[in-house]
Amino acid sequence: EDQVTQSPEALRLQEGESSSLNCSYTVSGLRGLFWYRQDPGKGPEFLFTLYSAGEEKEKERLKATLTKKESFLHITAPKPEDSATYLCAVPPQGTGFQKLVFGTGTRLLVSP
Amino acid sequence: DTGVSQNPRHKITKRGQNVTFRCDPISEHNRLYWYRQTLGQGPEFLTYFQNEAQLEKSRLLSDRFSAERPKGSFSTLEIQRTEQGDSAMYLCASSLSGLDRFPLGNGELFFGEGSRLTVL
Repeated sequence: EDQVTQSPEALRLQEGESSSLNCSYTVSGLRGLFWYRQDPGKGPEFLFTLYSAGEEKEKERLKATLTKKESFLHITAPKPEDSATYLCAVPPQGTGFQKLVFGTGTRLLVSP
Repeated sequence: DTGVSQNPRHKITKRGQNVTFRCDPISEHNRLYWYRQTLGQGPEFLTYFQNEAQLEKSRLLSDRFSAERPKGSFSTLEIQRTEQGDSAMYLCASSLSGLDRFPLGNGELFFGEGSRLTVL
């Protein structure tokens, strides 16, 4: 069964303290990996799509990378407004992007 | 606001009652998705439409659940004879087909803010 595992479940950082979130997956023939951000009580908001191992994408303080088994979301010098749950998702084997399997997310809290 | 709109935002009902949620996607999007999210979990795929055709349903979508998109625009998700286990956030998303890869797009799903269901 296709699985997505995210770690840690929760992460507390001081403002400016850089760290990384991990997403490991078991899908064969990965066609793409997505990162979304979700604020409490809201729907997920798209961050990145990574298509192949070695690919990197950046947006402000966030940088996503992809290997053949996992993806990392690096957060550099985070600010309190980066506090959210970060979700990783992949399409199941043999499917397009019509449905996604999400991980349980990493809840990030950045303190001033 | 031209984003995905969901109504109602919150619904509290008693076990055994029927509830219906509505989703209005971004107007030019031909794909519409329903996901369910429980506390502390990631969203789980329920079903998706391309135009008015329901092309895939998850086994999570029991016989008590029905989704429609009658004219390829808005969609409704009905839950009959609700159970306490149906309590969750029901998320709708939309996208435009053919935009899964660079340079045309990135496969992004545009989510609404969700409809939270509490079954007492």
